[in-house]
Amino acid sequence: KAGVTQTPRYLIKTRGQQVTLSCSPISGHRSVSWYQQTPGQGLQFLFEYFSETQRNKGNFPGRFSGRQFSNSRSEMNVSTLELGDSALYLCASSLLTSGGAHEQYFGPGTRLTVT
Amino acid sequence: QKEVEQNSGPLSVPEGAIASLNCTYSDRGSQSFFWYRQYSGKSPELIMSIYSNGDKEDGRFTAQLNKASQYVSLLIRDSQPSDSATYLCAVKGDDKIIFGKGTRLHILP
Repeated sequence: KAGVTQTPRYLIKTRGQQVTLSCSPISGHRSVSWYQQTPGQGLQFLFEYFSETQRNKGNFPGRFSGRQFSNSRSEMNVSTLELGDSALYLCASSLLTSGGAHEQYFGPGTRLTVT
Repeated sequence: QKEVEQNSGPLSVPEGAIASLNCTYSDRGSQSFFWYRQYSGKSPELIMSIYSNGDKEDGRFTAQLNKASQYVSLLIRDSQPSDSATYLCAVKGDDKIIFGKGTRLHILP
């Protein structure tokens, strides 16, 4: 079974621009979560989508947004990029079980550099 | 503010010894607990999940959970140089999963 895929893998943008990142979850997984990882802050939760609906949201400004499509693929968008947005953006997919277990499997990430 | 705390390390362990990684969490209502391994430049990889008090073993890995003490640990037996990585503890309560900042483990050949 194919794993989580993310595109693009690397991205360089300038301040003020916007960016869209894409994530395709493991086949059959309907939950997709996004994280930002930086050396200083570690893994920070951005948002989670399930069946095209945002279930949870982290403490990030409104410049960060996302959506999920009917095929469970997800995109996240960052508008008006700032230098501090430089980070590894990780997507994780999950197969929710009846017990609510939430084992997440990560994609390779998108390395975003803002100059 | 729900928190997950880990010692950042580095934790240096001789090859063949037992590595012990610890994690504490603040949300007493947490129900699911995970350990991820992350090699430098790579994404996190799920290695263990545990949901009830006690020990759970998988190969050389043992996860231990004590909900009363709000403590979860990971033991790695017969440590190998390939175990050198950052280990992330993750905890899920009612909503999102919260990750600790990780412990860097270095296995000394």
